[in-house]
Amino acid sequence: EAQVTQNPRYLITVTGKKLTVTCSQNMNHEYMSWYRQDPGLGLRQIYYSMNVEVTDKGDVPEGYKVSRKEKRNFPLILESPSPNQTSLYFCASSYTGNSPLHFGNGTRLTVT
Amino acid sequence: GNSVTQMEGPVTLSEEAFLTINCTYTATGYPSLFWYVQYPGEGLQLLLKATKADDKGSNKGFEATYRKETTSFHLEKGSVQVSDSAVYFCALSQMDSNYQLIWGAGTKLIIKP
Repeated sequence: EAQVTQNPRYLITVTGKKLTVTCSQNMNHEYMSWYRQDPGLGLRQIYYSMNVEVTDKGDVPEGYKVSRKEKRNFPLILESPSPNQTSLYFCASSYTGNSPLHFGNGTRLTVT
Repeated sequence: GNSVTQMEGPVTLSEEAFLTINCTYTATGYPSLFWYVQYPGEGLQLLLKATKADDKGSNKGFEATYRKETTSFHLEKGSVQVSDSAVYFCALSQMDSNYQLIWGAGTKLIIKP
């Protein structure tokens, strides 16, 4: 089944404790992206990647890192999480930047 | 810069009512326009799209027409069901911004039986 898989679905952590949210797609998509969703703010793009070893900042990249060493994986790294990074995070992928996006089911992160 | 404005929610309707969710955009040139839907506890999924003026996108009984003269892409459905309860997002993309999607804030739709 074609899908974008994010893990974990739920994560509660404390300020400053490094964490990684994994994202994997099995559709051989070139384009991958991370978003955060907050009430009243819609979706805001954190980082995106047009292909392997190519990543770019989105609208809200501060406090986040990504890597794209392989086509299928695009992990989101929070080196030192803070409470303002409490949010619902979505990974998405598509064949190209202009193709419809396929989304994962989300990761709800709480930073205390 | 480019932007997308959606009507604020929540929108609450009874089953079988007619639905309109307004979406207007600001963009230079000719963007592609999308509606995505997010069901409870899930990620977003593409509902429909239109890539040029006067195109009509349709899917699952939903329709939206790309109106360049009014810079709008309103979502409509003739008879909604309880299962249509979800959050609906309007978005645009353009080649000159590397096809990055510009999102509206989302409109929550609640359908009561």
